[in-house]
Amino acid sequence: EAQVTQNPRYLITVTGKKLTVTCSQNMNHEYMSWYRQDPGLGLRQIYYSMNVEVTDKGDVPEGYKVSRKEKRNFPLILESPSPNQTSLYFCASSLISRYGDDEQFFGPGTRLTVL
Amino acid sequence: AQKVTQAQTEISVVEKEDVTLDCVYETRDTTYYLFWYKQPPSGELVFLIRRNSFDEQNEISGRYSWNFQKSTSSFNFTITASQVVDSAVYFCALSSSYSGVMRFGAGTRLTVKP
Repeated sequence: EAQVTQNPRYLITVTGKKLTVTCSQNMNHEYMSWYRQDPGLGLRQIYYSMNVEVTDKGDVPEGYKVSRKEKRNFPLILESPSPNQTSLYFCASSLISRYGDDEQFFGPGTRLTVL
Repeated sequence: AQKVTQAQTEISVVEKEDVTLDCVYETRDTTYYLFWYKQPPSGELVFLIRRNSFDEQNEISGRYSWNFQKSTSSFNFTITASQVVDSAVYFCALSSSYSGVMRFGAGTRLTVKP
């Protein structure tokens, strides 16, 4: 089954404790992206990747890191999480986003709480 | 800069009513793409439609229809004869053909009451 998977689905952590949210897709998509969803703000793009070893900042990259060493994986790293990073996070992928025209397939979301 | 505005935060209708969700966008790109996504109470994001900036043809899919007007920078979504299952948050989004940037509106929460 074609899908985007994220782990963990739920996470409660404490300020400053490094964490990684994994994202994997099995559709051989070139493009992957991370978003956070907050009430009243919709989805905001954190980072995106057009292909392996190619990543770029979205609108809200502060406090996050990403890497794209393999085509299928795009982990989101929070080196020192803070309470303002409490949010619902979505990973997405699309076949080719060179022209911006492919719809993005979304993972199920990761609800992160930072105490 | 790109921006998507969904001015309607929440809409409540009674089943079988028609409802239109508004989306207004801003971009300097000549080529761009517009999307609508649905987020039901279960939380997943479901793709509904994609439209490119050169195609102003309206689209109908069952009870759903979309009206793209470049002159007013709008891409509105109408649900005809709404049903309880249409209750969800609906997001309009804009992507650039020159980068991997994707911008979403704040979303409109639609509640359809029986």
